[in-house]
Amino acid sequence: GAGVSQTPSNKVTEKGKYVELRCDPISGHTALYWYRQSLGQGPEFLIYFQGTGAADDSGLPNDRFFAVRPEGSVSTLKIQRTERGDSAVYLCASSPQGQSSSDEQFFGPGTRLTVL
Amino acid sequence: DAKTTQPPSMDCAEGRAANLPCNHSTISGNEYVYWYRQIHSQGPQYIIHGLKNNETNEMASLIITEDRKSSTLILPHATLRDTAVYYCIVRATYAGGTSYGKLTFGQGTILTVHP
Repeated sequence: GAGVSQTPSNKVTEKGKYVELRCDPISGHTALYWYRQSLGQGPEFLIYFQGTGAADDSGLPNDRFFAVRPEGSVSTLKIQRTERGDSAVYLCASSPQGQSSSDEQFFGPGTRLTVL
Repeated sequence: DAKTTQPPSMDCAEGRAANLPCNHSTISGNEYVYWYRQIHSQGPQYIIHGLKNNETNEMASLIITEDRKSSTLILPHATLRDTAVYYCIVRATYAGGTSYGKLTFGQGTILTVHP
């Protein structure tokens, strides 16, 4: 079956612009996670959805970052007024939370965001 | 959240066992030890997890000390494709645990398997 997919794979934008990053989780997975990874660092947690609601958004760095998951499947990470420091790989993961003893998170390939 | 400490890098010869250590001295009773790895330019991949007993699956073995303050991931016969960054993570697996849900990645260990 299909894994987690993310679009676009690469996004180049200019400072101050608005961007949207999309994540399609594995079908049936109730939990969805966003992380971002800067060069040479481990992934950093941003937000986690259980169904349609954000169960933990403690990792969002500021109010320029927002994420939605209106139907409990696809999620969109939105970044307003982008800054050069937002440049990173944005990773999405999903898990069949509550349905697997490992609660393994399955990661997508990421979206590489470059803010010029 | 409990923090983990791993060596920044390790080398291993192809076909030999790779033993990757991790210290997690502040782990809570409700927190599991998880291992993920990240091959260059890919998303992280789950390897194995455990609470207090040793665990084995098709990818690796996990040895957790009796006091749960450290663990070792063992890749029994390393191949070149095992070259990756390996992350040791502690995480609660029930709602209410402060580390529930998210994975808190550290710097990990860069494992290089050479011919």
